[in-house]
Amino acid sequence: QKEVEQNSGPLSVPEGAIASLNCTYSDRGSQSFFWYRQYSGKSPELIMSIYSNGDKEDGRFTAQLNKASQYVSLLIRDSQPSDSATYLCAVPHDMRFGAGTRLTVKP
Amino acid sequence: DGGITQSPKYLFRKEGQNVTLSCEQNLNHDAMYWYRQDPGQGLRLIYYSQIVNDFQKGDIAEGYSVSREKKESFPLTVTSAQKNPTAFYLCASSIQADNSPLHFGNGTRLTVT
Repeated sequence: QKEVEQNSGPLSVPEGAIASLNCTYSDRGSQSFFWYRQYSGKSPELIMSIYSNGDKEDGRFTAQLNKASQYVSLLIRDSQPSDSATYLCAVPHDMRFGAGTRLTVKP
Repeated sequence: DGGITQSPKYLFRKEGQNVTLSCEQNLNHDAMYWYRQDPGQGLRLIYYSQIVNDFQKGDIAEGYSVSREKKESFPLTVTSAQKNPTAFYLCASSIQADNSPLHFGNGTRLTVT
């Protein structure tokens, strides 16, 4: 079975710090990768997508992809309390999600 | 506005009853999915459909059934055979089943007592 693994949480960072979230996947055929944010009791919302090796930046968010290592990460710069949520890594090629990493940003 | 509509938001049933969760999308997406989420857990795939009149089992299909008679609709029936049906159910759709981002509905929280 194809798997998506995320670094175990919960992760707690102070306001203004960089939060680093990691994900590994087993399906070498995957071509696209997504990060979702899920607030408690809500449905996931797409925040980043990445298709090529390297970095992709969008505001305070940076996604990093290394297909050779089968590794994708999400960096959140200048973390804010409103970033406190669970972050899910998705590999749509096999429709699976990681278990999620719960992030808490402390004021 | 285009989107995915799940109804109802909350659903309560007695044990032994079948219950159907609705999912409708007007995004013209080919693929649709059902996931289950338990408290503090990730998303587990129940069923998915890539085209009308076709669907495949996911990782936890036992005790569930689906139909895809129309492109816009993908209802999920939770049968009495599902041992622990109380959960948060999420429906999603994507342009295609491969490499496209999933768009989620707001979810249905099912409680069975």
